[in-house]
Amino acid sequence: EAGVAQSPRYKIIEKRQSVAFWCNPISGHATLYWYQQILGQGPKLLIQFQNNGVVDDSQLPKDRFSAERLKGVDSTLKIQPAKLEDSAVYLCASSLPPGPFYTFGSGTRLTVV
Amino acid sequence: GQQVMQIPQYQHVQEGEDFTTYCNSSTTLSNIQWYKQRPGGHPVFLIQLVKSGEVKKQKRLTFQFGEAKKNSSLHITATQTTDVGTYFCAGLGMGYYGQNFVFGPGTRLSVLP
Repeated sequence: EAGVAQSPRYKIIEKRQSVAFWCNPISGHATLYWYQQILGQGPKLLIQFQNNGVVDDSQLPKDRFSAERLKGVDSTLKIQPAKLEDSAVYLCASSLPPGPFYTFGSGTRLTVV
Repeated sequence: GQQVMQIPQYQHVQEGEDFTTYCNSSTTLSNIQWYKQRPGGHPVFLIQLVKSGEVKKQKRLTFQFGEAKKNSSLHITATQTTDVGTYFCAGLGMGYYGQNFVFGPGTRLSVLP
């Protein structure tokens, strides 16, 4: 079984630029999550999709972050414009509803300079 | 909102020594999960606990869920260098739209050979 695919693996951008991350979950996993993991901290949920619908985006900074999962399969997370404090690893995870556990991708390490 | 705390933040042990990390939630949990993240890697699911007082073992790892379902612990017997990494607990809490797991900040384990 293929794992959760994410790209790019690394990204360096200047502040105020935009960036997009892509995630392809495990085939058949209806639930997809985007997490932000700042160095030395635990993952923080940004948004949760069930198929192509948003279940929880209460912690997503909507003034600069957006995410979509148009066909209920792969997903894109965008930041525009980026701030220095957005430097983090962005993890995508998927699960079969209602769980029981997340399978994480390798993440995208974003550095904003 | 729900908060999940872990202690200690860091632990350095000599190979062969035991290790314990504690997880505490500000609210009662329906279940709790544990993940391990190797340096430079992504979180990998270890186990889920759902019952009050539940104890589960995986080889040298022992997981326990507190009677009040507000705390949990992970104990590693006779640590090995392969145990190096950050151990996260994640408690199931109630998000605005539904349920999602809240991760603790993690305990980083170093094992000296």
